Amino acid sequence: GAVVSQHPSRVICKSGTSVKIECRSLDFQATTMFWYRQFPKQSLMLMATSNEGSKATYEQGVEKDKFLINHASLTLSTLTVTSAHPEDSSFYICSASRQVGSPLHFGNGTRLTVT
Amino acid sequence: AQTVTQSQPEMSVQEAETVTLSCTYDTSESDYYLFWYKQPPSRQMILVIRQEAYKQQNATENRFSVNFQKAAKSFSLKISDSQLGDAAMYFCAHVQGGSEKLVFGKGTKLTVNP
Repeated sequence: GAVVSQHPSRVICKSGTSVKIECRSLDFQATTMFWYRQFPKQSLMLMATSNEGSKATYEQGVEKDKFLINHASLTLSTLTVTSAHPEDSSFYICSASRQVGSPLHFGNGTRLTVT
Repeated sequence: AQTVTQSQPEMSVQEAETVTLSCTYDTSESDYYLFWYKQPPSRQMILVIRQEAYKQQNATENRFSVNFQKAAKSFSLKISDSQLGDAAMYFCAHVQGGSEKLVFGKGTKLTVNP
């Protein structure tokens, strides 16, 4: 069964609004989670590393004020797309691993459409 | 910086036949892990196989096996007795030892023909 749950699976929002995506590790504690973005027919691009109890680490070119990450507990990380624009429309996926060196488990992803 | 290269954007194979997907990577570290993930149309990322760099023996999982050539920095995936359900995007990925940060290749789209 799924070990990482991501919600919602699909969301449509209007330009200018904010959208929150949740990522939960179901049966393990994850001090680190990862957020990826995937454009159609492309690979996963790492956006940021979510660290429990501290600030997220963003990859180069990713706007931290646009993509707010909160990792408030050992089982939950949230990604908030603020003031969304149509170009933010994409597939967002989170992941977590039980421990360093273990395979990452991925959420089912969230398809965001900004109209 | 780590890079992962998949030189085959698309591959096709006949059902029950064998196909090999290529992957090369670049790293200056000696401690790392390599993975193949499968992404079907549902877009769920599914782990196919994992290889630790310190292990010389090639990893095998049922019909899936790898050819890990550490000196050449090559990590190809062989799928034997291909099934229709194997059709998906396949991503090769690398992570440094002590890290959880995966670097993905661009992917290979595998089509399985009946």
